[in-house]
Amino acid sequence: AQSVAQPEDQVNVAEGNPLTVKCTYSVSGNPYLFWYVQYPNRGLQFLLKYITGDNLVKGSYGFEAEFNKSQTSFHLKKPSALVSDSALYFCAYSSASKIIFGSGTRLSIRP
Amino acid sequence: KAGVTQTPRYLIKTRGQQVTLSCSPISGHRSVSWYQQTPGQGLQFLFEYFSETQRNKGNFPGRFSGRQFSNSRSEMNVSTLELGDSALYLCASSRGSPDYGYTFGSGTRLTVV
Repeated sequence: AQSVAQPEDQVNVAEGNPLTVKCTYSVSGNPYLFWYVQYPNRGLQFLLKYITGDNLVKGSYGFEAEFNKSQTSFHLKKPSALVSDSALYFCAYSSASKIIFGSGTRLSIRP
Repeated sequence: KAGVTQTPRYLIKTRGQQVTLSCSPISGHRSVSWYQQTPGQGLQFLFEYFSETQRNKGNFPGRFSGRQFSNSRSEMNVSTLELGDSALYLCASSRGSPDYGYTFGSGTRLTVV
């Protein structure tokens, strides 16, 4: 079955340090992959997507993600974390006109 | 331009009642999808509508239904509410295929007591 997995429920990072939120995928063919972020009591906001082309995708708020076909990974990264980056992050893939989300990773940035 | 608008934002209902939630997509977006978000099950796909036709349906019981109007606005209905239906219901719209990503509304928080 196709899926995306987020192996960490929670990631804690100090402000100013680099952050990584992990995602691995099991999707046949050429996957369309996404990252979304959710702030408390809000809907999801689109961060970035990979469809084809460059393996390094740049997105909103200074985030980027690297598509790695050999490791079937699509990790979200940011060089310097901000306290305001604290939120719930979802990796997702699209299939047959719907988007399927991973379980989410709560990112906590301490001052 | 206006984003995806969901009404109401909060709702409290009693077991056995029914509820209707509304979603107005971004102007020009013809695809509307609905998701249920709970702490235990995460984000689960309910259904997707395009040009008034249901194109996709998730694995939910028949108590969950939806429709889309000619102006692309969508409603979802849940009949015979159960406590487990308490959740954040999210609507998302896209211009055509959701394969290229969605824009989400802020959601409707439904509490069933």
